[in-house]
Amino acid sequence: DVKVTQSSRYLVKRTGEKVFLECVQDMDHENMFWYRQDPGLGLRLIYFSYDVKMKEKGDIPEGYSVSREKKERFSLILESASTNQTSMYLCASSSAGYGYTFGSGTRLTVV
Amino acid sequence: AQRVTQPEKLLSVFKGAPVELKCNYSYSGSPELFWYVQYSRQRLQLLLRHISRESIKGFTADLNKGETSFHLKKPFAQEEDSAMYYCALSGGTGTASKLTFGTGTRLQVTL
Repeated sequence: DVKVTQSSRYLVKRTGEKVFLECVQDMDHENMFWYRQDPGLGLRLIYFSYDVKMKEKGDIPEGYSVSREKKERFSLILESASTNQTSMYLCASSSAGYGYTFGSGTRLTVV
Repeated sequence: AQRVTQPEKLLSVFKGAPVELKCNYSYSGSPELFWYVQYSRQRLQLLLRHISRESIKGFTADLNKGETSFHLKKPFAQEEDSAMYYCALSGGTGTASKLTFGTGTRLQVTL
């Protein structure tokens, strides 16, 4: 089974802090994705990556950046956390021709 | 632009009743459609995809290009079907393989 591991299940951060969310997959997938999940809004794509050091903006990239220095790791960075970034963050990976495999999510609260 | 619409936020049915979760999409090319499910306290997981044309846990979904729909159906609901269901669309392979999700429908199966 493909495993996608998100380093933290719950995080509480203060407004203005720089926040790092880490995601690691163990099946050599080319593609990795970060979504946020909010009630009534579904999943919205923040950023994705098709290869090491490559990144593309999703639908809601404002206030976020990403880093992919190694194929298995994809980090989401909140440069200066704000309360409207309180959400559930989901990481996923995929390989061509297959569906996504999701991590268990990180619930971030910004106070 | 690709878009997925799930018109119902909540669908409540009795055990043994038929279930239909609606999904409509807009996409100018040839889409690939998926249903994902999230059970309580579990990660989001793939339920089925239209190209495989299989039945998973008694659920089926048929892509209707004329009506741009991909409704999820099950003839007899079970309590364990209670979950959040997301319809998703992929515009193609390679760099276009990112998924666009609907807002989700919560299915509640009661006795």
